[in-house]
Amino acid sequence: GIQVEQSPPDLILQEGANSTLRCNFSDSVNNLQWFHQNPWGQLINLFYIPSGTKQNGRLSATTVATERYSLLYISSSQTTDSGVYFCAVEQDDYKLSFGAGTTVTVRA
Amino acid sequence: GAVVSQHPSRVICKSGTSVKIECRSLDFQATTMFWYRQFPKQSLMLMATSNEGSKATYEQGVEKDKFLINHASLTLSTLTVTSAHPEDSSFYICSASRRSSYNSPLHFGNGTRLTVT
Repeated sequence: GIQVEQSPPDLILQEGANSTLRCNFSDSVNNLQWFHQNPWGQLINLFYIPSGTKQNGRLSATTVATERYSLLYISSSQTTDSGVYFCAVEQDDYKLSFGAGTTVTVRA
Repeated sequence: GAVVSQHPSRVICKSGTSVKIECRSLDFQATTMFWYRQFPKQSLMLMATSNEGSKATYEQGVEKDKFLINHASLTLSTLTVTSAHPEDSSFYICSASRRSSYNSPLHFGNGTRLTVT
């Protein structure tokens, strides 16, 4: 099956700092989504981004499908940004394959 | 607002009992829903694909007799953990799509934390 690799596995930030999370995938995909899982386990859709660039407030994402990677940018980080960020990709069968996640800790 | 509702959010049960988890699409019809399992500090692993009106499709290594899935209507799928044991303790989360093609995101329920004592 498709391999989804996220880096770094852990990230500690000072409040106000910027950061970039990366997602590499091993095959072509129809869909790529970024999620934030909060401490209560809720998965929050951040971006649906099979290609191109999108922005939502302090977050933005870029997917370069031809090179099989996606980047999630967090700017001016806040403590509420803490949690696990997952990248998930979908091929031809509607099933999402998740990366291992990046655990982000933002310190005040 | 939430488009996929999952219930209960938390359940504690004794070994040997069965637990049913519901997943509902709130304002759309979902012919396909998915069930995932997540162990602490790990990623989400797909367990099975729930198909309305037909049998679920299970991923390799998932016991279909252990994890019964029923998708009786276009807005409801249920996962029943039968004869639960402590190793079944985990976070279970469902997803559904309102899509008819590959051009819209999958939405997730808030998950169910199962503890088997």
